[in-house]
Amino acid sequence: DAGVTQSPTHLIKTRGQQVTLRCSPKSGHDTVSWYQQALGQGPQFIFQYYEEEERQRGNFPDRFSGHQFPNYSSELNVNALLLGDSALYLCASSFREGYGYTFGSGTRLTVV
Amino acid sequence: TQLLEQSPQFLSIQEGENLTVYCNSSSVFSSLQWYRQEPGEGPVLLVTVVTGGEVKKLKRLTFQFGDARKDSSLHITAAQPGDTGLYLCAGEGGSNYKLTFGKGTLLTVNP
Repeated sequence: DAGVTQSPTHLIKTRGQQVTLRCSPKSGHDTVSWYQQALGQGPQFIFQYYEEEERQRGNFPDRFSGHQFPNYSSELNVNALLLGDSALYLCASSFREGYGYTFGSGTRLTVV
Repeated sequence: TQLLEQSPQFLSIQEGENLTVYCNSSSVFSSLQWYRQEPGEGPVLLVTVVTGGEVKKLKRLTFQFGDARKDSSLHITAAQPGDTGLYLCAGEGGSNYKLTFGKGTLLTVNP
């Protein structure tokens, strides 16, 4: 049973560029959440997608946007990259609140 | 704003010792989840507790949810080097769909 799949695993971008990260949820899961984890910190919630719509958003600027497709997979887009956007970006899928989330291994984004 | 405070932030112990990690908040959560994360990997769910006062055991790990559903603890008995990792608590619930994470406890178990 495949878990959550994220691509790419590593990415290096230049300031001002745009990036797209991809996530395939665990089979049977219909909800996808994105988190940003800086070094030495816990993950911070970016947003959650359910039924192809953004259901909730964390405290992140509009440069961060996303999408969920009919097959429940999701993309995270970040425009006008800043050095401070360098982090591990985690995708988590779930089926029902309170039953826990399955996380992918993340995409390590480095902005130079 | 919901916040989760984890303590201690760092813990280095010898194999065989016991330890407890604490997770505290002023907010009530409908569930509290514990994850373990290894370098370069995503967090892996260890347990979910949903009922105030609930205690769950997973081999040498014991998890407790406070009666008021605002705090939780993780106790490890006879720690082993394989327990080394970042332990994260996360709360869910209320009007939020998101997980609110603590900053984590970095545990190192020395052989």
